[in-house]
Amino acid sequence: RKEVEQDPGPFNVPEGATVAFNCTYSNSASQSFFWYRQDCRKEPKLLMSVYSSGNEDGRFTAQLNRASQYISLLIRDSKLSDSATYLCVVWGFQKLVFGTGTRLLVSP
Amino acid sequence: NAGVTQTPKFQVLKTGQSMTLQCAQDMNHNSMYWYRQDPGMGLRLIYYSASEGTTDKGEVPNGYNVSRLNKREFSLRLESAAPSQTSVYFCASVKREYEQYFGPGTRLTVT
Repeated sequence: RKEVEQDPGPFNVPEGATVAFNCTYSNSASQSFFWYRQDCRKEPKLLMSVYSSGNEDGRFTAQLNRASQYISLLIRDSKLSDSATYLCVVWGFQKLVFGTGTRLLVSP
Repeated sequence: NAGVTQTPKFQVLKTGQSMTLQCAQDMNHNSMYWYRQDPGMGLRLIYYSASEGTTDKGEVPNGYNVSRLNKREFSLRLESAAPSQTSVYFCASVKREYEQYFGPGTRLTVT
């Protein structure tokens, strides 16, 4: 079983739609969780951290469910510029583990 | 500030050739990492350097060597390239373990 698993997608949504991605992790002792964004053929960039209480940054909401060992990312009012691959990232045991990413395509 | 720079951006090697990938950061971070990214496999850590003068193996170190030349520069060397090393290589400068700033990447093809 992979340490971090994501649905590769693509998720095709129209502008203005709400879309959600989930990510599961296998190590119950994992300490910290993040979402990174990677545009096509570009480097990954930190999008947001994921806290136990959930957190929101504008149109983006991240949630953590430790009991079920998954994290989620919700994007409201999708923009064309949101088209990218979203990487789920888990930190634990001095190691950062990246998921393979979920691809989002937002169309006009 | 340039952030993290990598050279070259693209490279084609023949099997058995050697090359060095260069990485430099101007953010004054102590830690720097080298990753490779392959389709369907996510980013995998090759080597990292927690501070100037130290380097440690990551998940996939075989076939690579690194040098932390100074605080700014961290290079990755392929001594005898193999087709399995065809990949995109990212260098990262690390503020905190999970807050990593990546360079633009080097796309390497080994034929």
